Amino acid sequence: GGIITQTPKFLIGQEGQKLTLKCQQNFNHDTMYWYRQDSGKGLRLIYYSITENDLQKGDLSEGYDASREKKSSFSLTVTSAQKNEMAVFLCASSIWGFYAEQFFGPGTRLTVL
Amino acid sequence: GEQVEQLPSILRVQEGSSASINCSYEDSASNYFPWYKQEPGENPKLIIDIRSNMERKQIQELIVLLDKKAKRFSLHITDTQPGDSAMYFCAAEGGTGSKLSFGKGAKLTVSP
Repeated sequence: GGIITQTPKFLIGQEGQKLTLKCQQNFNHDTMYWYRQDSGKGLRLIYYSITENDLQKGDLSEGYDASREKKSSFSLTVTSAQKNEMAVFLCASSIWGFYAEQFFGPGTRLTVL
Repeated sequence: GEQVEQLPSILRVQEGSSASINCSYEDSASNYFPWYKQEPGENPKLIIDIRSNMERKQIQELIVLLDKKAKRFSLHITDTQPGDSAMYFCAAEGGTGSKLSFGKGAKLTVSP
């Protein structure tokens, strides 16, 4: 078994601010993902990383940067927070390949004032 | 990327009855279709999945059906219990593996 840790749990920012979310996993998984969850819109993929030093854009990458510092960690940066934005950002990890179960972290809830 | 449509978005059933959620996808190369359950305040967890070489899979009260010709798959929960109340997400994995496209989710409420 393993665990995914996301920090911070709650993030409050100001409009225009650059905000960084962090994710750590101890599954020893190759692949890590960042999703955004909005009510009524499901889970939308922002960035994913197949292995250390790899970075792939998802469907929602505009306005975000990501960094895979090492195999166990994956960071997401909101480059310019939008006023009244509220969403939950979920990190996940899996082995690389077909039919791989994704394991999700507890999420970071973002509020922009 | 792959587009996955999921309906209904909300369903309410009585305890003991069945609940069904339907999904459709566009990419005929998609070959893996997992279902995730997210309970209130929790993270999504895999509950059942089906590969493209199967038409039906059952795990206890969960049944998944796949119609590759129609590009549709569905989740059926038989004998629902209040503990089944949650958000359910379907997903499809494209031909290159690992990357999932999720539906928008279905909120199931099971009343006693």
